[in-house]
Amino acid sequence: GENVEQHPSTLSVQEGDSAVIKCTYSDSASNYFPWYKQELGKGPQLIIDIRSNVGEKKDQRIAVTLNKTAKHFSLHITETQPEDSAVYFCAASIVGSEKLVFGKGTKLTVNP
Amino acid sequence: KAGVTQTPRYLIKTRGQQVTLSCSPISGHRSVSWYQQTPGQGLQFLFEYFSETQRNKGNFPGRFSGRQFSNSRSEMNVSTLELGDSALYLCASSLARFGQGEAFFGQGTRLTVV
Repeated sequence: GENVEQHPSTLSVQEGDSAVIKCTYSDSASNYFPWYKQELGKGPQLIIDIRSNVGEKKDQRIAVTLNKTAKHFSLHITETQPEDSAVYFCAASIVGSEKLVFGKGTKLTVNP
Repeated sequence: KAGVTQTPRYLIKTRGQQVTLSCSPISGHRSVSWYQQTPGQGLQFLFEYFSETQRNKGNFPGRFSGRQFSNSRSEMNVSTLELGDSALYLCASSLARFGQGEAFFGQGTRLTVV
């Protein structure tokens, strides 16, 4: 079955710097890749997603890139702010399925 | 527009007991998925329901079961609880009929088995 690897497990940046989180997936049939942000005591919040027919997608300070050939996708957060501190999860799902396979998460800390 | 609602938020149960968790999806969403989140295993897929039918199932023992009602509300049941079942149980709802819709999560039910 699908396996998603996520790196790094922890990431600490200064406010205003950029943060990059990378994920790789194993199943070439995967074609939907969402990213979630989870704050303490809350459920995961969908922040951006990308489908396999697109190479890059941006939403204000957040962007996601996808390399289907290499089977990896990345989350880029620019001009980080303390409120960006949270655990971020990448996920993948195959065609026609709602099942999401998640990475292990990245704890991002943005220092003021 | 109300989000995904899960009840109860917290539960403490004893080994061997059973538990039922409830999930009300976003209005209009007919797909409901359940996930187990633990520090060691992360987020793992339990099962997904669409229009009262289970469409997909993860690799969990038969003690874990679920169902969906005609109003799209869903319940999951865990029988013969074990200590290792302690986890945050998350429900997600989606609009997609054919899969891969945006999935929105509730705040979860924190289950502690003692």
